[in-house]
Parts: sequence; C-alpha cells; structure tokens
Amino acid sequence: NAGVTQTPKFQVLKTGQSMTLQCAQDMNHEYMSWYRQDPGMGLRLIHYSVGAGITDQGEVPNGYNVSRSTTEDFPLRLLSAAPSQTSVYFCASSYSALNTEAFFGQGTRLTVV
Amino acid sequence: ELKVEQNPLFLSMQEGKNYTIYCNYSTTSDRLYWYRQDPGKSLESLFVLLSNGAVKQEGRLMASLDTKARLSTLHITAAVHDLSATYFCAVDRDDKIIFGKGTRLHILP
Repeated sequence: NAGVTQTPKFQVLKTGQSMTLQCAQDMNHEYMSWYRQDPGMGLRLIHYSVGAGITDQGEVPNGYNVSRSTTEDFPLRLLSAAPSQTSVYFCASSYSALNTEAFFGQGTRLTVV
Repeated sequence: ELKVEQNPLFLSMQEGKNYTIYCNYSTTSDRLYWYRQDPGKSLESLFVLLSNGAVKQEGRLMASLDTKARLSTLHITAAVHDLSATYFCAVDRDDKIIFGKGTRLHILP
C-alpha cells in the first residue's frame, strides 16, 4: 500500500538552480495537489489538478510549474530556485474533485541557499 | 477569495480538560475537513464534514459543521497527552482546498 510517494525526502539547492519534486500515487485518484508548509503559515496551495491533462493555479503558484500527463504522476518543477522557496512541500491526492478528502505524501524538505 | 481562520493558533491545556478549536471560513462551502499533523510528520485525515449540521466523533474528538455560520468546531473531551499535535481545518471551494494556519495543541500531563 504505497499511497502517495514523494521523492526526494530532502534536497539542498543553490539559488538559481532548477529541480523537479516527484509525486506518484497508486490509488487511481483523479485529483492531485501540491502544498508548501512554512512555520506559522499553515499549508498553502501551489497548484492542483482535477484530472490528467488539467492543471490550475492555487494560492502561491509563482516560481513553480506542474504537469499532469498521467493519472499517477504530478511533478512540481522549480524553475529558478530562490531562498524564499525554502519550505516543506507536500503532495496530496484525492478521489476526485467531488470527493477531496486528501491523502498526503511524506513531504520533501527543501532548502535553497 | 476563500479565507480560512482557525483559533486559537496555540493551545496548552491540562490532561482531563475539555476544549474547542474553531474554524471560520469566508465563503459558502459544503465540504470541510479536519487533519492532524504530528511534529515532523505528514498530515492524516480525521473528519470529513459534508453538510450543514454534520457531526462526527472519533474517541475524544468530535467535529461539527454549521454552514450557515460558516463555522466548524473540533471539540476535545477529557484531553490526553497523545492528542498533542497540530490540527488543521480545510475548506473546499471551486476545486481548491484551502487550509487554515493550524492549531498547535500541547497537552500537559
């Protein structure tokens, strides 16, 4: 029962570098989303997808890109990392846009220096 | 724009006491969720509230939803140390699930 799998668990980037955070789910969920968690800020929605081929912006999308070419995968790309993107990133999946109870991955702790 | 506010943001309480966490949201929604997060861990789902007047209970935790008041409560009965965690409410509006800032609950033995 893998559920939602995020890789890597930890990452250190230099300012200006790009990278992709991977997220995969094996529950055949239609809906997937990315959040960042910062101290005192709760979880903020970056991007979300209601199904393969469909993505949309959340609360804080700037500096991030996503794609959803398959139901299973929802990678998050940092185009040019900045120290302000230092955070813990969570991927989540839900059965559908009509049933959005979220199941979370274990998180990726990203530090940008 | 949907805003979700929780209060208090931090709560320290004695074992055996009762307390309530409040979650207010700014626009209409019929779906509200409560999650728990332990330090350094991911989030796990506690309750799904889908309609006005919905009440769910699990052990010492009970959640309720009043969609007319745009308010959900998470009530803790006779708190025990194991309930120490951060609790988040989240509201679904227009396919976006927006979280509150969380309530860090610290239960003293």
